[in-house]
Amino acid sequence: NAGVTQTPKFQVLKTGQSMTLQCAQDMNHNSMYWYRQDPGMGLRLIYYSASEGTTDKGEVPNGYNVSRLNKREFSLRLESAAPSQTSVYFCASHLQGVSTDTQYFGPGTRLTVL
Amino acid sequence: AQSVAQPEDQVNVAEGNPLTVKCTYSVSGNPYLFWYVQYPNRGLQFLLKYITGDNLVKGSYGFEAEFNKSQTSFHLKKPSALVSDSALYFCAVRASGGSYIPTFGRGTSLIVHP
Repeated sequence: NAGVTQTPKFQVLKTGQSMTLQCAQDMNHNSMYWYRQDPGMGLRLIYYSASEGTTDKGEVPNGYNVSRLNKREFSLRLESAAPSQTSVYFCASHLQGVSTDTQYFGPGTRLTVL
Repeated sequence: AQSVAQPEDQVNVAEGNPLTVKCTYSVSGNPYLFWYVQYPNRGLQFLLKYITGDNLVKGSYGFEAEFNKSQTSFHLKKPSALVSDSALYFCAVRASGGSYIPTFGRGTSLIVHP
């Protein structure tokens, strides 16, 4: 049971390049999330997926797209990277329910856009 | 709308002394409250949560938190700090009858000095 996995762990892009961040969970959770973490800003929600086949915008969706490929996988795509997207990106999953109402986070992807 | 405030960017405490990391929240209706910890270069890990019941919640690694409805606070505490407790701590809240997506605070860096 690996929990939530993310690839890659590190990435350096040039402005204008594109890339996809991959996330997978093996806990059979229905909800998945993408956050970015910036110093002094805490965690900000980019996109989320309440269930397979649905995605919704979070607080800071501009410049990003997502795909909920199946119940396990939720990818985040940067079509044209900008320096403002330099950040640490975390994927999380969540099984809704009062007794299980916690999020499980991946180890993060550190992205630098030059 | 729901929000969380962590008024201290950094808390310094000597090893063996009690520690408190403060959190106040704003939410419509009854709150679900959470504390997560992030060690360097790692994802967030769940520490404890308040859903209902006893105002004093016990969690992992000897941490506990006290829910105070009148002061809308959920401060994290530990009777005796360890150097290994040094990490970034996040408080989160969501409304019991609202969106299942939590709002995170900006985080508080806890530094425990030997």
